[in-house]
Amino acid sequence: AQKITQTQPGMFVQEKEAVTLDCTYDTSDPSYGLFWYKQPSSGEMIFLIYQGSYDQQNATEGRYSLNFQKARKSANLVISASQLGDSAMYFCAMREGPSYNTDKLIFGTGTRLQVFP
Amino acid sequence: DAGVTQSPTHLIKTRGQQVTLRCSPKSGHDTVSWYQQALGQGPQFIFQYYEEEERQRGNFPDRFSGHQFPNYSSELNVNALLLGDSALYLCASSLSQVLAKNIQYFGAGTRLSVL
Repeated sequence: AQKITQTQPGMFVQEKEAVTLDCTYDTSDPSYGLFWYKQPSSGEMIFLIYQGSYDQQNATEGRYSLNFQKARKSANLVISASQLGDSAMYFCAMREGPSYNTDKLIFGTGTRLQVFP
Repeated sequence: DAGVTQSPTHLIKTRGQQVTLRCSPKSGHDTVSWYQQALGQGPQFIFQYYEEEERQRGNFPDRFSGHQFPNYSSELNVNALLLGDSALYLCASSLSQVLAKNIQYFGAGTRLSVL
């Protein structure tokens, strides 16, 4: 079974609009971390935002926020006020287990976001 | 503050050859992880090095091996290359801390083509 599922292969959004990228995960471990990375065509994976399984509040980092719904096992990324430079692949990833035990990240297949003027 | 650097950026090899990829972690980081990203896929974890030892390994054959040096830099070696080894190889570094986020920061990768 897929541990990280990103069901949107591609998304389009107009500049200055908000967009939500979906991510669902599967784990039986009570301790885990969820990450979103951006990968431009250059190849580098750029860290965007982190949510720990025990965090009480949804994570926010500037224009990025994470809509964490633990019971539904979803961790959707919300990008507000989209910019042309946001066009890239976006990957959701999970660290399954506590950070002192593992650093291994499990990635989804990604969503390609295209922002148009 | 230098980020994660990888070399070379591109590499072309033929089947059966051996290759070595290099990674320098972000300043202050002590842990290096390697990932393989095939075209159109998400990265797959190969292994992680901490204190010069392999700490965790993904589902990759023994043809994939690595090393970490005292300055925390790392190498990934792949022997007996197969066509299926063609991919983007990403290095990520982090600071190993108990009860921390342990965020991994990635380099731009080495694109390996096996002919």
